Amino acid sequence: NAGVMQNPRHLVRRRGQEARLRCSPMKGHSHVYWYRQLPEEGLKFMVYLQKENIIDESGMPKERFSAEFPKEGPSILRIQQVVRGDSAAYFCASSPQGQEEGLAVEQYFGPGTRLTVT
Amino acid sequence: QKEVEQDPGPLSVPEGAIVSLNCTYSNSAFQYFMWYRQYSRKGPELLMYTYSSGNKEDGRFTAQVDKSSKYISLFIRDSQPSDSATYLCAMRKTDSWGKLQFGAGTQVVVTP
Repeated sequence: NAGVMQNPRHLVRRRGQEARLRCSPMKGHSHVYWYRQLPEEGLKFMVYLQKENIIDESGMPKERFSAEFPKEGPSILRIQQVVRGDSAAYFCASSPQGQEEGLAVEQYFGPGTRLTVT
Repeated sequence: QKEVEQDPGPLSVPEGAIVSLNCTYSNSAFQYFMWYRQYSRKGPELLMYTYSSGNKEDGRFTAQVDKSSKYISLFIRDSQPSDSATYLCAMRKTDSWGKLQFGAGTQVVVTP
């Protein structure tokens, strides 16, 4: 019973390069969420996706960041032209259904990808 | 002012003691409340989930929600060294789909 899988677990990029972070949700889950955790800070919501749809991207920086969850394959968080301030742990979570009133809609987290920008 | 406030600790307790954690929030639109445990360099693990005011118990864990005071708590009975971790409160508004807002996390150390 595999949980949420993320890869790579560690990623080192030089300033200006692109970073691609992948997330495979739990089996049967069709909703994916991305969060960023900076050192000594709590998790900050970035984006919520359903298959082929972005539901809420209110936490995404306006530039350089994008996310997708295609019909087939994992969800991808893409950071273009990385800067040192992008160094953080990026966590993906998944849930079996949407955030409907009254339903238990727990989010289950993966182990994270730790991005270091040099 | 942050919408969700949580004392970062560290909170150090002896083995067997009760660990008491809490968070306050400022927006009454928060209706769903969760507690996660995060070990160092790992992903958060869901411990408890509550919707309404009152208590919810699961083994050694008890979660309390007081919506009138905008205050939530997590109690861990008979604490063990394996409970040493960072505990994150999280909450969601009814109209914000999947967006969880987290507290900064409280680091707990249980000493043998």
